[in-house]
Amino acid sequence: GNSVTQMEGPVTLSEEAFLTINCTYTATGYPSLFWYVQYPGEGLQLLLKATKADDKGSNKGFEATYRKETTSFHLEKGSVQVSDSAVYFCALTNAGKSTFGDGTTLTVKP
Amino acid sequence: DTAVSQTPKYLVTQMGNDKSIKCEQNLGHDTMYWYKQDSKKFLKIMFSYNNKELIINETVPNRFSPKSPDKAHLNLHINSLELGDSAVYFCASSLIFGASYEQYFGPGTRLTVT
Repeated sequence: GNSVTQMEGPVTLSEEAFLTINCTYTATGYPSLFWYVQYPGEGLQLLLKATKADDKGSNKGFEATYRKETTSFHLEKGSVQVSDSAVYFCALTNAGKSTFGDGTTLTVKP
Repeated sequence: DTAVSQTPKYLVTQMGNDKSIKCEQNLGHDTMYWYKQDSKKFLKIMFSYNNKELIINETVPNRFSPKSPDKAHLNLHINSLELGDSAVYFCASSLIFGASYEQYFGPGTRLTVT
């Protein structure tokens, strides 16, 4: 079956620090990979996605590269802001079925 | 204009009661979903519907019964509510049932069973 493993949180960083949230997956075939973000009290929203190997998704300074050889899709941002504090979910969709990671809570302190 | 909307936003009820949550999307999407998010933020898919037809049921108890009157609406009815049903329930939609399409989530319904 499909599975997504995310770096355990919570993660606490100072403003302007570098962020990495690790995500690895298990799936047969060719899944699409996503990062979603959930701000407090809200639903999830798409942050970025990649649909094939070596694709890089990017948005709002975040980026992630679909690495088939290491089955990974790590999320990075060069300089985080207080407003990036949220829960981040790595997810894959394979043959129409979606699997989400357990979420990583990020807190950015001024 | 809200893309995916849910009502109610909050629902407090007693064990044993029956309740419904409604979801509507105005994106013209074919596929809709229900998710349950527990207090640790773990997200679990419950149901997937494509063009009003149930396509995925993730071993959810029979007390949960989704209904899709049309492509734009997916409601969730829960019978005989239990304490363990307390969670945030999210509705979502995607363009078509397929691999590369992202999902659009509603704001959630926080259900508290006392």
